[in-house]
Amino acid sequence: KAGVTQTPRYLIKTRGQQVTLSCSPISGHRSVSWYQQTPGQGLQFLFEYFSETQRNKGNFPGRFSGRQFSNSRSEMNVSTLELGDSALYLCASSLSAISSGNTIYFGEGSWLTVV
Amino acid sequence: AQSVAQPEDQVNVAEGNPLTVKCTYSVSGNPYLFWYVQYPNRGLQFLLKYITGDNLVKGSYGFEAEFNKSQTSFHLKKPSALVSDSALYFCAVRDGGGSQGNLIFGKGTKLSVKP
Repeated sequence: KAGVTQTPRYLIKTRGQQVTLSCSPISGHRSVSWYQQTPGQGLQFLFEYFSETQRNKGNFPGRFSGRQFSNSRSEMNVSTLELGDSALYLCASSLSAISSGNTIYFGEGSWLTVV
Repeated sequence: AQSVAQPEDQVNVAEGNPLTVKCTYSVSGNPYLFWYVQYPNRGLQFLLKYITGDNLVKGSYGFEAEFNKSQTSFHLKKPSALVSDSALYFCAVRDGGGSQGNLIFGKGTKLSVKP
């Protein structure tokens, strides 16, 4: 069974641009969550989607947004990129919502560098 | 509010010796506790979790963890460390009592196993 797939794996963007990252969850998983990982701040929760609805959102500015499609695939978008947005963005999926206690499984991440 | 702490930034162990990576948590309800491992430039891999039941949880690659409610701890252990165990380890917690709420990760502990 395929794991969580994230695309692209690596990308470089310029300040002020916007970026869209994609995540395909494990087959049958309906919950997708996103995390930002940086050396200074560690792993920080961005948002969780379940059945196309945002269930939970972390403490990030409105430039960070996401959505989930009917096939459970998810995208996150960051607009007006800043240097501080350079990070590893991790997507994770689980059978049902995080609140259920189901294990969440992570993808390999998308490395974003903002120059 | 929920929180998790990994008091050691780095743990050094000789190969063949037992290892312990510490984790303490704070939640208002019953905790859902997880351990993940991250190898360089990779995503997080699930090791084990505690939701309810036996306090000693066994997971992947010979790892185990003991849930201690009175000490609010969930330390990760392995009887005999391997060089290949060298990686970054994350403890995570979620308050099992609520319908919302995300998974909170510790800052991570770098495990170094020397031959």
